[in-house]
Amino acid sequence: GAVVSQHPSRVICKSGTSVKIECRSLDFQATTMFWYRQFPKKSLMLMATSNEGSKATYEQGVEKDKFLINHASLTLSTLTVTSAHPEDSSFYICSARGGGNQPQHFGDGTRLSIL
Amino acid sequence: GENVEQHPSTLSVQEGDSAVIKCTYSDSASNYFPWYKQELGKRPQLIIDIRSNVGEKKDQRIAVTLNKTAKHFSLHITETQPEDSAVYFCAASKGTGGSYIPTFGRGTSLIVHP
Repeated sequence: GAVVSQHPSRVICKSGTSVKIECRSLDFQATTMFWYRQFPKKSLMLMATSNEGSKATYEQGVEKDKFLINHASLTLSTLTVTSAHPEDSSFYICSARGGGNQPQHFGDGTRLSIL
Repeated sequence: GENVEQHPSTLSVQEGDSAVIKCTYSDSASNYFPWYKQELGKRPQLIIDIRSNVGEKKDQRIAVTLNKTAKHFSLHITETQPEDSAVYFCAASKGTGGSYIPTFGRGTSLIVHP
């Protein structure tokens, strides 16, 4: 089946640090990747959608300068949380889709803790 | 935009009982409805999906039904087992080309008591 790898799984860092999270589709080409944020016992909150080679589309209320997304190839998308603060602490999950109205396949998520 | 409502938020059943989770959607153009299972601290995993040209789909103990007229779809789990305990999310999406942006329900925490 389709495999999506997300790294790192856990990050603990000081306030003001920028953190990069990688999302890779290992056995398929992901024309679209999604980035979600999930709070404890809450649903998946879509942050942005990225298509390979084009700028990401951010959801309302998500700061594009704060959460930089790059989808440089059909197998890799990155999310960089710039100058992270404690309120950015959360569980971030990426997902990838081969194309059209196909199922998404999720990464394992990244637990980000900002001290 | 699309709005997906999911009920109940918590469902507690005894092992061997059936569990039903229901979702409604607002956009009649939605045509793809996946269900995901997320165990604590793990990734959501697709367990079953249905498209709008089908009314029901079954995979062993799991089934999904879709009523396009009423704009609701449901997940049915029969003969529940403790390992079915998890949070289940429904989703709805529509679009053409690469524009399928899924909208997720708020999730249902299923607890199966041994």
